[in-house]
Amino acid sequence: GQQLNQSPQSMFIQEGEDVSMNCTSSSIFNTWLWYKQEPGEGPVLLIALYKAGELTSNGRLTAQFGITRKDSFLNISASIPSDVGIYFCAGQSAGGTSYGKLTFGQGTILTVHP
Amino acid sequence: GAGVSQSPRYKVTKRGQDVALRCDPISGHVSLYWYRQALGQGPEFLTYFNYEAQQDKSGLPNDRFSAERPEGSISTLTIQRTEQRDSAMYRCASSLSVSDAPQHFGDGTRLSIL
Repeated sequence: GQQLNQSPQSMFIQEGEDVSMNCTSSSIFNTWLWYKQEPGEGPVLLIALYKAGELTSNGRLTAQFGITRKDSFLNISASIPSDVGIYFCAGQSAGGTSYGKLTFGQGTILTVHP
Repeated sequence: GAGVSQSPRYKVTKRGQDVALRCDPISGHVSLYWYRQALGQGPEFLTYFNYEAQQDKSGLPNDRFSAERPEGSISTLTIQRTEQRDSAMYRCASSLSVSDAPQHFGDGTRLSIL
């Protein structure tokens, strides 16, 4: 089945630093999404990407949909303490038996030291 | 309501009992999804609906798990004869459509089987 490899597993950074995380897949996806999850809450959508090569920003967050459609990255610039959480990538296929479902990466745990 | 609502937030039950978990999607959202999330991992797909039709149940672990969405709005995930390995966070998500609309998640039901 489809697998997503997300890296790094965890990051410990100083406030103000930039952060980069990425996901690679063994299969092609037609949509890539990035979510953030905080303790006791469900994943919250940060950015959705729909086209290969697309680069999208949401405030200090920038994400790209890889040209091969098998990878995506998320950058956070000038990190702040409230960026702490677990970041998940997710891919969605366009058709076949996987249509509709999201396949998630293992998550990147981000810790920001003030 | 404004977001996806799940109830109960916590459910503790004895092994062998049946449990029913409820999801109320965002108003107007056609597609509804169920996921299961183990500690430290990303959500894993269970099943999804378009309106009242169950489109894909390939992620349901076995025949003790079932889901319905009889009127195309609220959905119930039922687990019969629960086992300890069923303990997990069960998450519901909804989207405007299945094709290219991003999925929005609820805060989940934490199920503990004693």
